[in-house]
Amino acid sequence: EAGVAQSPRYKIIEKRQSVAFWCNPISGHATLYWYQQILGQGPKLLIQFQNNGVVDDSQLPKDRFSAERLKGVDSTLKIQPAKLEDSAVYLCASSLLGFAYEQYFGPGTRLTVT
Amino acid sequence: KQEVTQIPAALSVPEGENLVLNCSFTDSAIYNLQWFRQDPGKGLTSLLLIQSSQREQTSGRLNASLDKSSGRSTLYIAASQPGDSATYLCAVEETSGSRLTFGEGTQLTVNP
Repeated sequence: EAGVAQSPRYKIIEKRQSVAFWCNPISGHATLYWYQQILGQGPKLLIQFQNNGVVDDSQLPKDRFSAERLKGVDSTLKIQPAKLEDSAVYLCASSLLGFAYEQYFGPGTRLTVT
Repeated sequence: KQEVTQIPAALSVPEGENLVLNCSFTDSAIYNLQWFRQDPGKGLTSLLLIQSSQREQTSGRLNASLDKSSGRSTLYIAASQPGDSATYLCAVEETSGSRLTFGEGTQLTVNP
């Protein structure tokens, strides 16, 4: 079974630029999560999708971050404009149906904002 | 607001040693607690999940315990190996279906 795929793996941008990350979850998984992991900290949930609907986006900085999951499969996370404090690893995870099921994580995208 | 703390932040041990990683949480009303492993440049892998009604879970050389009343969990690794070197994270789920709150992790190095 293929795992969660993410791209790009690394990205370096200047502050005020925009950036987008892509995630392809495990086939058949209804729930998709985006986490932000700042160096030395644990992951923080940004947004949770159930199929193509948003379940929880309470910790998403909506003034600069946006996410979508078209057709309930792939998802993109966008930051516009980026700030220095957005430097982090962005992890995508998926599960069969919500937190009650095991989450499978992708390798992450390491973002550096200069 | 739930806060999860892990001590120590980093740990270096010789191969073969038994070790304990600690996790504490401020609100004892949790649904479950999970331990994850994170290797550099990779995502997280779930190791053990303890339901709130359970006291411990075991998988191979790993044993996780949970004491809800004191807000503590420990991950015991027996006969450590260099391949155990990674960052270990604990996370609590406060109610069924709620988001996970993670600790900051313990970076473990097992020296040959």
